[in-house]
Amino acid sequence: DTAVSQTPKYLVTQMGNDKSIKCEQNLGHDTMYWYKQDSKKFLKIMFSYNNKELIINETVPNRFSPKSPDKAHLNLHINSLELGDSAVYFCASSQGLGAYEQYFGPGTRLTVT
Amino acid sequence: GENVEQHPSTLSVQEGDSAVIKCTYSDSASNYFPWYKQELGKGPQLIIDIRSNVGEKKDQRIAVTLNKTAKHFSLHITETQPEDSAVYFCAAIIMTTDSWGKLQFGAGTQVVVTP
Repeated sequence: DTAVSQTPKYLVTQMGNDKSIKCEQNLGHDTMYWYKQDSKKFLKIMFSYNNKELIINETVPNRFSPKSPDKAHLNLHINSLELGDSAVYFCASSQGLGAYEQYFGPGTRLTVT
Repeated sequence: GENVEQHPSTLSVQEGDSAVIKCTYSDSASNYFPWYKQELGKGPQLIIDIRSNVGEKKDQRIAVTLNKTAKHFSLHITETQPEDSAVYFCAAIIMTTDSWGKLQFGAGTQVVVTP
């Protein structure tokens, strides 16, 4: 039983294209996140949503737009992809915001050519 | 600024030996410190965490210690096994200006356990 799932696992696309990554959690959590892991493996938070409301936006370019249709889903849409967007994107969820355990999905490796 | 520093960046140990990874943080309001293990091609997996009201926590072969005064916390793995080989990340809750907490991660430690 997958707790946090993401699709697709791999995404290869050209510069300028628009793409989406989907995330679902079946843990009954209220809070979901998107993280970016760069080529040096550094993990950095991009967004967090609590009960479908955007709470944290870490000065991510406007080309990135998260959407949470319900508490179990958090999708990430990226417009006008750039070479620098190549990374692994992780979705995560937790019971609430703050000092709660966060559980990560398997990641989506995005390659922009 | 908000910072979590992690050392060493790579750690090679013989099977059966112990491994220690150290982290420091700067935000004195931080009260939650998780450790994650990331295997190749997978997402980070929470392996142990500690809160600021305790100084040590142990779970089988792994333990974490916290020194709030010095703003240090460490991961200890005893009797290492080849399956312990992975990248390990420390993290600390950082409070945002809106009083929400977010995880700030260290840069990671590549642990290699050789048989």
